[in-house]
Formats: sequence, structure tokens, C-alpha cells
Amino acid sequence: EAEVAQSPRYKITEKSQAVAFWCDPISGHATLYWYRQILGQGPELLVQFQDESVVDDSQLPKDRFSAERLKGVDSTLKIQPAELGDSAMYLCASSLAFFGENTEAFFGQGTRLTVV
Amino acid sequence: AQSVTQLDSQVPVFEEAPVELRCNYSSSVSVYLFWYVQYPNQGLQLLLKYLSGSTLVKGINGFEAEFNKSQTSFHLRKPSVHISDTAEYFCAVSEEGGSQGNLIFGKGTKLSVKP
Repeated sequence: EAEVAQSPRYKITEKSQAVAFWCDPISGHATLYWYRQILGQGPELLVQFQDESVVDDSQLPKDRFSAERLKGVDSTLKIQPAELGDSAMYLCASSLAFFGENTEAFFGQGTRLTVV
Repeated sequence: AQSVTQLDSQVPVFEEAPVELRCNYSSSVSVYLFWYVQYPNQGLQLLLKYLSGSTLVKGINGFEAEFNKSQTSFHLRKPSVHISDTAEYFCAVSEEGGSQGNLIFGKGTKLSVKP
């Protein structure tokens, strides 16, 4: 069964260091999402891509976070420099389309980031 | 703007008992409604969704939910729970006609099923 792949599953980094997460969506899925889930909270959308273009990054803290999807397939989310408050689960999701019926999102296992 | 309120942060229940997890939403536009389940250190799995049509929606693992537009609610129910249902459950909304992946989530309800 096709699934969204994320790596690493767990990451520990020191404050002020750079950290990056990788996501490979389900093959053929044009839309990709990055969510952040702080412990005890629901996920919050950070950025949404349609192919290689950013559709929505209104909640992305752009002073330290960046996201790219250069060839419209896999994606990288980067934090530089990391802060203690960035400790969270980072979830990637993908959907077949942006509009219409085929927009159900499928989530990966997530990357658990701990900043020390 | 949309928001989702899950009224109970934790729900303990005995095995084979019924359970209801409550969800209310606020939105100035029509919405789609979803319930997701999350096991420890795992991603989210879709349980069920309401897009249109019948207000009673059946999902996986024996769960169902009913959309009540007048009360802006979408409560999740299961008539008899199992130990394996122990997990965190999230209610979410997205704008009707838009992407079902652009979601606003509630804070979650931890369901704990005891033997």
C-alpha cells in the first residue's frame, strides 16, 4: 500500500543548530502539506504546495523556517536556527489534487524533533 | 475563520462500553468535517468524513459520527470499544469546496479503554 515517507523518525538537535526533515509523498500526489504538532495540541498547517509552488505559507515562521519542493515531488522543511519551542512532531501529508473530489490527505508517520 | 472545540481532553471508558467524543466547530463558511485517530508516535489516520449527503457517517473500526448543522456539532460514537481503540482522536474542518488537506484541528481527545 502506498504511503507518505518521512525521515528521520526522530531527531535531537541543540538550540541554534540547523535541522532538516524530508518527505516523499505518495506517487502521483500533486499537493503536499507540512504540519507541526506541539505536544498536547492538534496539528497546525505550516505550508501547502501544489506541485513545486507554495499555495499557502501564512503560518510558516519565515524568519527561521523554510520549505521547498524543487521538482514537485519530495520536499524538505528546514529550521535554522532551532529554538527550544520548535520541539514538536512534524507531519507531512499529500493528496492527489488541490480541488475537486480527490483532495483527501494521507499523513506520514512524522518526525519527532527535540531541541535541547 | 474556523475553529474546532473538542470538549473533553480525556475520556476513560471500560472495554465493551459505548463512547461518545464531542466536537463543536465555528465557521463563517460551509465546511467539511473529519475525525482522525493518532496512536503514540504515529501519524494521523482518517476515521471518517462528512462532505455532503446523509448526516450520519460511518467510518472504519466501527466508528460513526453525526453532523448536526444547527448545533454545529460532529460527535464521534462507537457502541462497544476495544482495548485497541486507546488512542488520541482529533476532529478537524476544512472549507467546503476546497482542499480536504487544508485542515483546522481541535486539541484532541485521549481515549483510554480499560479492561
